[in-house]
Amino acid sequence: NAGVTQTPKFQVLKTGQSMTLQCAQDMNHEYMSWYRQDPGMGLRLIHYSVGAGITDQGEVPNGYNVSRSTTEDFPLRLLSAAPSQTSVYFCASSYDGMTGETEAFFGQGTRLTVV
Amino acid sequence: SQELEQSPQSLIVQEGKNLTINCTSSKTLYGLYWYKQKYGEGLIFLMMLQKGGEEKSHEKITAKLDEKKQQSSLHITASQPSHAGIYLCGADIYTGNQFYFGTGTSLTVIP
Repeated sequence: NAGVTQTPKFQVLKTGQSMTLQCAQDMNHEYMSWYRQDPGMGLRLIHYSVGAGITDQGEVPNGYNVSRSTTEDFPLRLLSAAPSQTSVYFCASSYDGMTGETEAFFGQGTRLTVV
Repeated sequence: SQELEQSPQSLIVQEGKNLTINCTSSKTLYGLYWYKQKYGEGLIFLMMLQKGGEEKSHEKITAKLDEKKQQSSLHITASQPSHAGIYLCGADIYTGNQFYFGTGTSLTVIP
């Protein structure tokens, strides 16, 4: 079982460049989300989606865009990368949100450095 | 702002010792997850708690959600070097599909 697949695992960008972090899940989960993990800050929610065609902002959405055209995929876009976006990014999915009724699955993370 | 407070931030224990990590929220928790993260790697699901007073165990790790559903504790019995890593609690605080994580507790177990 593939679970949640994130690509790439590592990326270095120059300030101002754009890129898309890919996230795909094969468990037919409705809920998907993106987090960034920074030292001393824990994981913070960037954007989330409760189903295809539906997205919403989390705690730290500025500088990031998302779309959910299919149930399987939830890409995260950085339109103009900034050094403050240097972080480790995690994608997660679950069947029906994060209420504790079902397990949430995480990808292995993408380590992004913006220089 | 930090919705979930974890304590302590770091722990260094001798192998064989017991330890407890706490996760506290100012709001009612609608489902509480515990994860472990090995340094530089992804998150490993440990367990989830939903009901007040619920307690779950897996091998030497036990987690409990208090009756008021505003605090959870993770207890490791007879710690081993394999327990080392970062432990994170996570919860849906507002039931609006916004899932928050604690700041994490870094655990080092000295052989």
